[in-house]
Amino acid sequence: AQTVTQSQPEMSVQEAETVTLSCTYDTSENNYYLFWYKQPPSRQMILVIRQEAYKQQNATENRFSVNFQKAAKSFSLKISDSQLGDTAMYFCAFMKLYNAGNMLTFGGGTRLMVKP
Amino acid sequence: KAGVTQTPRYLIKTRGQQVTLSCSPISGHRSVSWYQQTPGQGLQFLFEYFSETQRNKGNFPGRFSGRQFSNSRSEMNVSTLELGDSALYLCASSLVGGDRDHEQYFGPGTRLTVT
Repeated sequence: AQTVTQSQPEMSVQEAETVTLSCTYDTSENNYYLFWYKQPPSRQMILVIRQEAYKQQNATENRFSVNFQKAAKSFSLKISDSQLGDTAMYFCAFMKLYNAGNMLTFGGGTRLMVKP
Repeated sequence: KAGVTQTPRYLIKTRGQQVTLSCSPISGHRSVSWYQQTPGQGLQFLFEYFSETQRNKGNFPGRFSGRQFSNSRSEMNVSTLELGDSALYLCASSLVGGDRDHEQYFGPGTRLTVT
């Protein structure tokens, strides 16, 4: 079974600064996807970024980027130029690539507060 | 495109009753997954449906069941409700195949309270 660990229950950052959220995972699989999801106070879960394990290049989406270290089983999210709207719970998630099927295993989440 | 929709958004039920939650996926998405979110257990996978067949199932008792219709809409049912079933139930849909394969897009959730 896979496990995903987010060791920072809460973090805060000043508006316009950069923050990095940590995630580690445990798996014996070689092919998988990793995701970061954001859940603002409205509760709607939003996909932030995706990383395929077979890709060495780190994924980026505008102000969001990841540092994927496959050997270390680490997958951190960097948010640049933090904005008030980035305030949310952030979940790291793992998906094993079966021949068929989608199933996400989530970490416990990190609550990020962006301060003005 | 319209996003994933879930109905109802809020529900209050009594212990012992049963409940049915509904999910309409994004148009063209044929995979629908369900998750339970609680403060104590976090986000846990319930099951996934594709082409009206259950493809994956999480570690939940048989009181939790689901189905998918030919238009990809899905329902989940919880019978003999317990207080511990109080949770936010999230539905997610995804394409099958293509560049966005395996990306799951979530609905707003159904908040179930069992009293």
